[in-house]
Amino acid sequence: AQRVTQPEKLLSVFKGAPVELKCNYSYSGSPELFWYVQYSRQRLQLLLRHISRESIKGFTADLNKGETSFHLKKPFAQEEDSAMYYCAPGSSNTGKLIFGQGTTLQVKP
Amino acid sequence: GAVVSQHPSRVICKSGTSVKIECRSLDFQATTMFWYRQFPKQSLMLMATSNEGSKATYEQGVEKDKFLINHASLTLSTLTVTSAHPEDSSFYICSAKAQLAGGPEQFFGPGTRLTVL
Repeated sequence: AQRVTQPEKLLSVFKGAPVELKCNYSYSGSPELFWYVQYSRQRLQLLLRHISRESIKGFTADLNKGETSFHLKKPFAQEEDSAMYYCAPGSSNTGKLIFGQGTTLQVKP
Repeated sequence: GAVVSQHPSRVICKSGTSVKIECRSLDFQATTMFWYRQFPKQSLMLMATSNEGSKATYEQGVEKDKFLINHASLTLSTLTVTSAHPEDSSFYICSAKAQLAGGPEQFFGPGTRLTVL
């Protein structure tokens, strides 16, 4: 079965601290991996995708196919990073995304 | 670019009535749109995949006669909650996949809050 696990419901850190939001997935085939972010009172928006191998707002994510993980990292968290983060593998064939339970990141001043 | 709108943003209705929610891609054509349901402090649950010009594909456990989906054009999909009941109260979100885009990246609407009294 397709499944995404984000083990932390809430991650609370102080400004300037490193952040790692964990994501493990179980998915048949070779999915594309995405991180979506939802800031307070805003719509869900794409943060980054694994095939781009880019850094967005200081965040990076490395796909580890052996461990089927796609953890999101940022070396120095900022208060404006406070939001809900969703890991989502998707199928290029069907276009479907499967969302994890989400992790609320709270960055304290 | 890649903006998706939903209308209405909020709706309150009486039990037993039907409610229609519109999802539009404003600046791109979307052959595929998706409808999700989100419960408070929970993840998005995919309800159905809406393909332009064909019947929607519903996820397991989602009643197709309850949640009618129509994708009449490349920029519009509608979700009608028929004979709504209080347990249908939820946040409904649509997303759209650009017609020419490879891969499953989706652009999301702002959501519609449905409250059934």
